[in-house]
Amino acid sequence: QSVLTQPPSASGTPGQRVTISCSGSSSYIRNNFLYWYQQLPGAAPTVLIYRNNQRPSGVPDRFSGSKSGTSASLAISGLRSEDEANYYCATWDDSLSGPVFGGGTKLTVL
Amino acid sequence: EGQLVQSGAELRKPGESLKISCKTSEYNFLNHWIAWVRQMPGKGLEWMGIIYPGDSDTRYSPSFQGQVTISADKSISTVYLQWSSLKASDTAMYYCARRDGYNTLDPWGQGTLVTVSS
Repeated sequence: QSVLTQPPSASGTPGQRVTISCSGSSSYIRNNFLYWYQQLPGAAPTVLIYRNNQRPSGVPDRFSGSKSGTSASLAISGLRSEDEANYYCATWDDSLSGPVFGGGTKLTVL
Repeated sequence: EGQLVQSGAELRKPGESLKISCKTSEYNFLNHWIAWVRQMPGKGLEWMGIIYPGDSDTRYSPSFQGQVTISADKSISTVYLQWSSLKASDTAMYYCARRDGYNTLDPWGQGTLVTVSS
């Protein structure tokens, strides 16, 4: 069981705005940056959001990240069929020198 | 930005050993940590360990300590993940990924599927 908790599934229709939550203990979320990774079917994960709300070049501004207290969320606006994927939140544990992942959320575009 | 290219799919029997690879290109291999991540069938991402190729400093997740060995060969810009005695429960996709200065894992390799079956 992950220390970062995500809903196992989420869904929306094309054009809608959906949010995916990520919650955890204050030691992980409040005190560390949050990252979001997208894993399209059959592909390797790629980074969507780093350091809570920063988008790498090439990531559409339809994707946004936010963090407040001990929870974080990924918002996807103008939902498209190609957004159907698994989404993972993550943080970095300095004591381990490695990432901690949430359990993942499967997003279905209806 | 460099790419990470992983070795191909493997089919092994329980008890056999295995070493898979992750080769980097186009950037300063020695100065970036490379992580290994496991994804069991239909499951989420699990961090296994990380290595700094410059001096082979290696850290393991407590869940994988003693179960696998991570190593690097600077001469060919390659990082390895190896098992001395595979179990059926090692069946999974394994990804390597570079850790950047923001603790982001980017880029990722394409993954290596390891199947352990008698």
